[in-house]
Amino acid sequence: DTEVTQTPKHLVMGMTNKKSLKCEQHMGHRAMYWYKQKAKKPPELMFVYSYEKLSINESVPSRFSPECPNSSLLNLHLHALQPEDSALYLCASSRGQGGGNEQFFGPGTRLTVL
Amino acid sequence: QKEVEQDPGPLSVPEGAIVSLNCTYSNSAFQYFMWYRQYSRKGPELLMYTYSSGNKEDGRFTAQVDKSSKYISLFIRDSQPSDSATYLCAMRGSYNQGGKLIFGQGTELSVKP
Repeated sequence: DTEVTQTPKHLVMGMTNKKSLKCEQHMGHRAMYWYKQKAKKPPELMFVYSYEKLSINESVPSRFSPECPNSSLLNLHLHALQPEDSALYLCASSRGQGGGNEQFFGPGTRLTVL
Repeated sequence: QKEVEQDPGPLSVPEGAIVSLNCTYSNSAFQYFMWYRQYSRKGPELLMYTYSSGNKEDGRFTAQVDKSSKYISLFIRDSQPSDSATYLCAMRGSYNQGGKLIFGQGTELSVKP
C-alpha cells in the first residue's frame, strides 16, 4: 500500500477564515512533506517533518502553520490567507528524509482563497 | 540557470509512438533520479526511480541516467492516450545535502488516438 490520503479534496475559504488540511499515511514512513503547486508549475517544497519534528521550513509565511501530531498524520493550519495562496496543496511521505528514499504523493487539496 | 532544465512542451504524438522525455541538470551531487506522472488536477505519481547512472525498465517505460553528461531520459514505448499527462523529472542529493527534491518544470504530453 503506497497510499497517502488528503482531506478535504477541495476547500474554498475567505481571507479571514481559519481552516486546516489533513494528510495521513499508514506505510510507516517517518518523513512527511507539504508542497504547494500552482498551475503548470512543479511542486514547491514548504515544510518537511522527520520523526515528527520540523526539519525544513522553506521560509513559508506564518499564515501557514504545520503540525505533526503523530507519525501517521500531518496537518497544515491556514489563517488569514491571501488570494495568491490559491493552489493545489500536496502532501508526500517517504521512509526517511535521506536522498535514497522515494517520495509518494497524495492527491492534493485544491484550495481557493476568495 | 536553473538546477534542473526540462522542456515544458507541449508534446503531441500519435498513439503507438515512442516518446522521449529529457532533463538536464547542473548539480553533480545529485544521485537519485525520479520520474513522476501527473494527471490534470491530481497528485504526482512515482513512475520510475533510479540511483546513479544506468538504465531501468518497467513495462513500456525505460529510464536512463547519464551522470557524465548530467542528462536523464524517460522513454515510453507504444504510447497510449492514457499516457497523456504532465511528466516531471525530479532529483536529489544525499541526506547531508538536505535531501531536498528538485523538480524540472514538467513536460505536458498528449497522445492522440
